[in-house]
Amino acid sequence: GAGVSQSPRYKVAKRGQDVALRCDPISGHVSLFWYQQALGQGPEFLTYFQNEAQLDKSGLPSDRFFAERPEGSVSTLKIQRTQQEDSAVYLCASSIRTYEQYFGPGTRLTVT
Amino acid sequence: AQTVTQSQPEMSVQEAETVTLSCTYDTSESDYYLFWYKQPPSRQMILVIRQEAYKQQNATENRFSVNFQKAAKSFSLKISDSQLGDAAMYFCAYRIITTSGTYKYIFGTGTRLKVLA
Repeated sequence: GAGVSQSPRYKVAKRGQDVALRCDPISGHVSLFWYQQALGQGPEFLTYFQNEAQLDKSGLPSDRFFAERPEGSVSTLKIQRTQQEDSAVYLCASSIRTYEQYFGPGTRLTVT
Repeated sequence: AQTVTQSQPEMSVQEAETVTLSCTYDTSESDYYLFWYKQPPSRQMILVIRQEAYKQQNATENRFSVNFQKAAKSFSLKISDSQLGDAAMYFCAYRIITTSGTYKYIFGTGTRLKVLA
C-alpha cells in the first residue's frame, strides 16, 4: 500500500473491555509513532519505535496501555480495561527520516 | 516545559485572500525542526511545510510560507491566495531529540481555518 493504514477505523468498547488497535506503516519505514488525539486537541505523543525496539514509552498514560512491534513492521496498541477517558482518536505515523512523518487515518475509540 | 501555543482557535479568510496563523513554542534546544500540519475533516494529517531551526531563510512551499523568528520562538504560517480546499485544522509542531537520544514531536492545540466563498 502507498500509505499508513490503521484498523479498525472505528471502535466502540464497553468500559472494562480490552481493545487492540493496529497500524501498518509504509514499507521500509524504520520509525513508528503512536499518538492520542482527544476531541478538539492536538496529537499527544504516546510511544516511539525504531524497528522492533520501543525506545520511548514516556507518553503512555497508564500501565493499561501497551504497544508492540515484534517484527519491526506492523504495530499494535493495546488498551486493557478501557475507561471513558480513553475515548479519543489514536493516530499512528511512520517515517524513514526523522524530520518527517506520514500519518494514518486514525482509529476513533469510543468507550461507553 | 516543552510547549507549543496556538492562540487562535479559529480563523476565517475570504477565498483568494491571505491569512496568517500564529504559533509560539518553548524549548531549550538549539537544534530542532518546526512543522505545520493540515488535518482536513475526517481525513489524514499531512505535512504542509517544514523549517530547520538552524536555517535563517524562511521556508516556502507554493502558496504556503513561514515567518520564523528564532529569538522570539515564533513560527507563523502564511497562506496566500486561499482556496476552499485549504479549510482544515492546522497544527504547529516541533521535533526535539530527547535526553535518551530518541525523537519526540510536540503539537499545539490547532487552529481551525474556514475559507469563505
